[in-house]
Amino acid sequence: GAVVSQHPSWVICKSGTSVKIECRSLDFQATTMFWYRQFPKQSLMLMATSNEGSKATYEQGVEKDKFLINHASLTLSTLTVTSAHPEDSSFYICSAPPVQAGGQGNEQFFGPGTRLTVL
Amino acid sequence: GIQVEQSPPDLILQEGANSTLRCNFSDSVNNLQWFHQNPWGQLINLFYIPSGTKQNGRLSATTVATERYSLLYISSSQTTDSGVYFCAVGYSSASKIIFGSGTRLSIRP
Repeated sequence: GAVVSQHPSWVICKSGTSVKIECRSLDFQATTMFWYRQFPKQSLMLMATSNEGSKATYEQGVEKDKFLINHASLTLSTLTVTSAHPEDSSFYICSAPPVQAGGQGNEQFFGPGTRLTVL
Repeated sequence: GIQVEQSPPDLILQEGANSTLRCNFSDSVNNLQWFHQNPWGQLINLFYIPSGTKQNGRLSATTVATERYSLLYISSSQTTDSGVYFCAVGYSSASKIIFGSGTRLSIRP
């Protein structure tokens, strides 16, 4: 159980275009999902918290108008990189903690990641 | 915010050796997880261990929450254990977790 999928697994796009990445929890519901970015040989940096039915919460320094997040259902969150540029090239990973009583300190499960290359 | 430090940053061992990876954190936590990131980038959940000790095969982990550290033990290392090991902690009412900088483990045959 606790499987998270991402689509696409990799994408190459031209500078100035927008790219949408989907994150799905396959066998559990998640009121909250998280989006991370990882540059080569670095750690994962939290970008934003995706909240089902409400606005996303962005970490300091992350442009909310550039990285649009929509959490349309209890099993789907999407990240749209708008007007992508080469510096947005990175590995994007989502995670989700299964909904359970209390809601704090839940184990998180990660998707396989999406590798974005902007030419 | 909370600081998460992992040591050592790099570790090279011969197959069969044992290793200990450390994760220090600067504040109280309500979540601590250990992950192995494989060469394709997938994060594999190893342990959910905000406190106490757990074992799973050749791997075990101990978190001493009062002293703000966690240890991951790998015994009888195999080449397939190579990769980056991350610890990540959660510390607020939100469920988000913050990652340490990782330990890159290389197991030589």
